[in-house]
Amino acid sequence: QSALTQPRSVSGSLGQSVTISCTGSSSDIGAYKYVFWYQQHPGKAPKLMIYDVNKRPSGVPDRFSAFKSGNTASLTISGLQAEDEANYYCCSYAGTYVFGSGTEVTVL
Amino acid sequence: EVQLVESGGGLVQPGGSLRLSCEASGFIFSRYWMHWVRQTPEKGLVWVARLNGDGVGTTYADSVKGRFTISRDNAKNIVYLQMNSLRADDTAVYYCAREGSGSYYTDYWGQGTLVNVSS
Repeated sequence: QSALTQPRSVSGSLGQSVTISCTGSSSDIGAYKYVFWYQQHPGKAPKLMIYDVNKRPSGVPDRFSAFKSGNTASLTISGLQAEDEANYYCCSYAGTYVFGSGTEVTVL
Repeated sequence: EVQLVESGGGLVQPGGSLRLSCEASGFIFSRYWMHWVRQTPEKGLVWVARLNGDGVGTTYADSVKGRFTISRDNAKNIVYLQMNSLRADDTAVYYCAREGSGSYYTDYWGQGTLVNVSS
């Protein structure tokens, strides 16, 4: 199963918004509601930010939002903060799991 | 507090075997599915295997099927990954992760253990 496609990097200034896309197929993202997003700082373990397309776990700020349309999922970070600078990975479950290629978010 | 601590990584020759362990604490271990996920700079995160709470239901990525075995000891709160016939492209940081309740996401991850397959 091929990795989901994400932009290699996105950047934004403090307080601005950035959106990360995650493109799959009708067999994964397009098929089910099981799309997840993880944040990973260098040298750290991934942290769950979004599950089931658009749900935030307890403790994740509401400036993180997500949605899905067809075979593409998107994560938006509003009001960008310095601590949001990290790598972000999407993930889809459709019997097995496939991760995205990862997107580096830079806060200017 | 949920904690997952991996161990067992190291240097192994191609064709060799290694067993990773992940000790869990802070939750009722037997009630949760557990996963192994690996990561390299080149490929990013790649899901490896998943195991249900009673240790019977397993799923594997095609790339490891027939070579890797996920298992658990609920009395010791440990999940294992037995890796056989190791190849250079199995080199990665291996994470164990807990699956959340009610869906398929992984909500807690360990800090990872490095496996280096090299002669």
